[in-house]
Amino acid sequence: DAGITQSPRHKVTETGTPVTLRCHQTENHRYMYWYRQDPGHGLRLIHYSYGVKDTDKGEVSDGYSVSRSKTEDFLLTLESATSSQTSVYFCAISERPVLNTEAFFGQGTRLTVV
Amino acid sequence: KNEVEQSPQNLTAQEGEFITINCSYSVGISALHWLQQHPGGGIVSLFMLSSGKKKHGRLIATINIQEKHSSLHITASHPRDSAVYICAVVPGNQFYFGTGTSLTVIP
Repeated sequence: DAGITQSPRHKVTETGTPVTLRCHQTENHRYMYWYRQDPGHGLRLIHYSYGVKDTDKGEVSDGYSVSRSKTEDFLLTLESATSSQTSVYFCAISERPVLNTEAFFGQGTRLTVV
Repeated sequence: KNEVEQSPQNLTAQEGEFITINCSYSVGISALHWLQQHPGGGIVSLFMLSSGKKKHGRLIATINIQEKHSSLHITASHPRDSAVYICAVVPGNQFYFGTGTSLTVIP
């Protein structure tokens, strides 16, 4: 299994509080991604990173920010959590862009905003 | 509007049956991936295709670029194959995912 760890695995938080999810990899892969998974929707890209300090928005980036100060860590922050951000969040990594390589996924973080 | 449509959404099969899951997409793509999501939530990559056919054990994946269609076949299905199977296309350099096919294989 690829070395990719998400933390925490489960979190319950109150509306309006900040939340940070962490993705840690030991594979030295250049690309890292944050997705959310909701019923009735496929996985949707929030933000991604193509190198240290290089990040870009995905299709559902509103309300989220990211940081990547080291190759191995990609942080997803909800500045002020809302109930619509209740979801399962997946981190993924890839050595190259996914048009020509496979991706490896973390185990997911279940976030509930009450 | 979802660029990726999977069918069926849910599938129940008896152990040993041959299973087919379909994926149709509406955009030009560079590659197509099949993923498996286990009941515990973890997602693993099964195949990456840009043309033709690939086989791994009892799993076979095919793609027809002209028809914008891919199929995932499972031969001699087993209860441990029970999972959600997800099709993901790559039009540029990012994934667009289908909503998944939930497969249950009954002993």
